[in-house]
Amino acid sequence: DAGITQSPRHKVTETGTPVTLRCHQTENHRYMYWYRQDPGHGLRLIHYSYGVKDTDKGEVSDGYSVSRSKTEDFLLTLESATSSQTSVYFCAIRPGREAGYTFGSGTRLTVV
Amino acid sequence: AQKITQTQPGMFVQEKEAVTLDCTYDTSDQSYGLFWYKQPSSGEMIFLIYQGSYDEQNATEGRYSLNFQKARKSANLVISASQLGDSAMYFCAMRGGSEKLVFGKGTKLTVNP
Repeated sequence: DAGITQSPRHKVTETGTPVTLRCHQTENHRYMYWYRQDPGHGLRLIHYSYGVKDTDKGEVSDGYSVSRSKTEDFLLTLESATSSQTSVYFCAIRPGREAGYTFGSGTRLTVV
Repeated sequence: AQKITQTQPGMFVQEKEAVTLDCTYDTSDQSYGLFWYKQPSSGEMIFLIYQGSYDEQNATEGRYSLNFQKARKSANLVISASQLGDSAMYFCAMRGGSEKLVFGKGTKLTVNP
């Protein structure tokens, strides 16, 4: 299969609580990405990583932090979840420069 | 900065006909890549086709082809012989020199029997 898994698949959390989403790859690719998808907005880049401990911001990074201590794992943390962060979150890996990026199955996060 | 524009929120096509989904892009990078993805109602993101900025020929993958017009900064997706299973959201995306993959807002395609 694609070699990328996201956990959890669904989560409901309360406003103000911290939340961490995990993206795991089995293919040792250098680049990993976190996106959020909301109706009418397509997919918007939150953060991405170009190596262990190397990360950069995307277009909607406020309220999110990331960490990559191992090649295979890329964590997305909402320090204090808000209702505006209710969304579907996708992780992606880049197998090669001219190859299609591979996406995980997504995490549906609801902040109540 | 990179920007992708998809001007068609929704498109309808009859089964077995061809359909073109529009995508225009903006970038100051000389080297970039253009991608199309399909997202069916089940939610997964499915890679369809890739075009590099230096590729002289339009990319093709089965029933999908990418009509790349560099001077116009357009990268339209053409689906030939539409099938009912082609009904989905379609996203155009671009990767520039920063390695960020940026998406358009998508086009919802409905294939009618």
